[in-house]
Amino acid sequence: EDKVVQSPLSLVVHEGDTVTLNCSYEVTNFRSLLWYKQEKKAPTFLFMLTSSGIEKKSGRLSSILDKKELFSILNITATQTGDSAVYLCANAGGTSYGKLTFGQGTILTVHP
Amino acid sequence: NAGVTQTPKFRVLKTGQSMTLLCAQDMNHEYMYWYRQDPGMGLRLIHYSVGEGTTAKGEVPDGYNVSRLKKQNFLLGLESAAPSQTSVYFCASRGGGSSYEQYFGPGTRLTVT
Repeated sequence: EDKVVQSPLSLVVHEGDTVTLNCSYEVTNFRSLLWYKQEKKAPTFLFMLTSSGIEKKSGRLSSILDKKELFSILNITATQTGDSAVYLCANAGGTSYGKLTFGQGTILTVHP
Repeated sequence: NAGVTQTPKFRVLKTGQSMTLLCAQDMNHEYMYWYRQDPGMGLRLIHYSVGEGTTAKGEVPDGYNVSRLKKQNFLLGLESAAPSQTSVYFCASRGGGSSYEQYFGPGTRLTVT
């Protein structure tokens, strides 16, 4: 059974701090690893990672995948209060219908 | 272009009542999914569809039924609601191929008393 575990479950920082969110996974047939940001409503897509060692970057957010060690990290530099959200990691594996197995999420709170 | 929409946004049911949640997408996507989100448990797949007229069970299908009579719509039904079905329900869609990005609707908050 596919499994995704995120750590930490919650994190409180101050504006300007840098944070690293972790995601480890077990999957029978790896296809992709995805990161989403969820504020009060729908999860919104951040990154999709397919290859090891290639960093994806968008502004202050970046992510990388290690397929040998079966984990991914999401980095946020110079955090802002608007980064406060739940960050979800999901694995697209197994079958071709694109099922996503989600982790529990990391609740990030950024204080001014 | 509205993306993925869901109705209703909120609903309160009594145990034993039935209801249908509607999901609509205007992106011509083949794949559609229903998830539920409970505190501390991430999102769990209830049912999914790989095309018009086809549906299949996900991880937590018990107590739910689905239908996809039109490509753009995916309905989730609760025949006899139970308090354990209190949750936030999200619909998502995906175009297909090697991009596994799913687009999510705004969610429906359901409370069963």
